[in-house]
Amino acid sequence: AQSVTQLDSQVPVFEEAPVELRCNYSSSVSVYLFWYVQYPNQGLQLLLKYLSGSTLVKGINGFEAEFNKSQTSFHLRKPSVHISDTAEYFCAVRAPNEKLTFGTGTRLTIIP
Amino acid sequence: DAGVTQSPTHLIKTRGQQVTLRCSPISGHKSVSWYQQVLGQGPQFIFQYYEKEERGRGNFPDRFSARQFPNYSSELNVNALLLGDSALYLCASIPMGLAERYGYTFGSGTRLTVV
Repeated sequence: AQSVTQLDSQVPVFEEAPVELRCNYSSSVSVYLFWYVQYPNQGLQLLLKYLSGSTLVKGINGFEAEFNKSQTSFHLRKPSVHISDTAEYFCAVRAPNEKLTFGTGTRLTIIP
Repeated sequence: DAGVTQSPTHLIKTRGQQVTLRCSPISGHKSVSWYQQVLGQGPQFIFQYYEKEERGRGNFPDRFSARQFPNYSSELNVNALLLGDSALYLCASIPMGLAERYGYTFGSGTRLTVV
């Protein structure tokens, strides 16, 4: 079975400051990892994904994430956040031929 | 190309009623998944369909059912609605085969409120 843990339910950050949203996963096999963003009253938008290869992946809106196999982590980072980054962020994992499994989400609030 | 289309966008139903939600996947995608997102929680897997056959089912009661049509669109049905069924219902369009690993594309969802 696979699972995802997002350690922080809420993260407040000052505008233009860096941010890291944490994600840890559990699986007995190799997995694909994803970060999705959900703006208020909207569906889910794919930010970035890790399939294989380079452990540092870059996504949209200036976000990046680093896959760490030994720590089973896939933390999301942005060097400088903007008001428009206010949203809910979901980490997700999927083993081949399995369903996409989401974490409980992290609400990112940007403080002006 | 059109994205994933879900209808209706909002719906209010009374306890005990039945509801049907609809989803049209991205052109060329033959698989859809349905997810339930209760307020303040992550999406929970309900069903996956591929080529009109059920490929997986989450931990939901038999009141939840779905089907996929020859044009790959899908319907999610929920009978005997409970207050706890109030949620955002998301449909994901999935490319199959090697492309499947590239992830799911979600629609904007249907917000169901049961009163």
